[in-house]
Amino acid sequence: EADIYQTPRYLVIGTGKKITLECSQTMGHDKMYWYQQDPGMELHLIHYSYGVNSTEKGDLSSESTVSRIRTEHFPLTLESARPSHTSQYLCASSESGTTNEQFFGPGTRLTVL
Amino acid sequence: GNSVTQMEGPVTLSEEAFLTINCTYTATGYPSLFWYVQYPGEGLQLLLKATKADDKGSNKGFEATYRKETTSFHLEKGSVQVSDSAVYFCALISAGKSTFGDGTTLTVKP
Repeated sequence: EADIYQTPRYLVIGTGKKITLECSQTMGHDKMYWYQQDPGMELHLIHYSYGVNSTEKGDLSSESTVSRIRTEHFPLTLESARPSHTSQYLCASSESGTTNEQFFGPGTRLTVL
Repeated sequence: GNSVTQMEGPVTLSEEAFLTINCTYTATGYPSLFWYVQYPGEGLQLLLKATKADDKGSNKGFEATYRKETTSFHLEKGSVQVSDSAVYFCALISAGKSTFGDGTTLTVKP
């Protein structure tokens, strides 16, 4: 069973608030990812990291930012939440290497009113 | 670039029916292929994988064969159960980069 955790699981917040979605993994994986999942269930990569102090933007433009100060921790921050940010956010991690599968957290369902 | 194309859903079957969810891909190099499953309210879980041509991945009665000649990795199960209702994602990894299909929603009715 994958050891990757996301908190909170559900968040309802007002427009303009700053929020941080937490993601932690205990598997020692170098690579970590954030996906946004829309109601049609498609996954969109918004950020990824290949190690400490390494972060990159993904395929889908996002107003969120990420940091990777510790291997196990990859938080995502929205400075000013808007209703368009309402979505499911999934965090994942994988070992280094070119063919290793990703392990996913349970997700955070964010609703911005 | 790489791409994964899945059979469009939703798919609705009766319990004990045969399941096929088609998946084809385009990729440079020699990708590894995966099927993930997502149950309601949860993240994705790896269902099975195959890392080279002609490999067959299998788990929980599901199986898929890596077909390089047809660039396919179709998911099959001989007899579905209500508990198999979920969203299924086909994915590939090539040169360390992951590409996911759009997901296929399966509903199994008793």
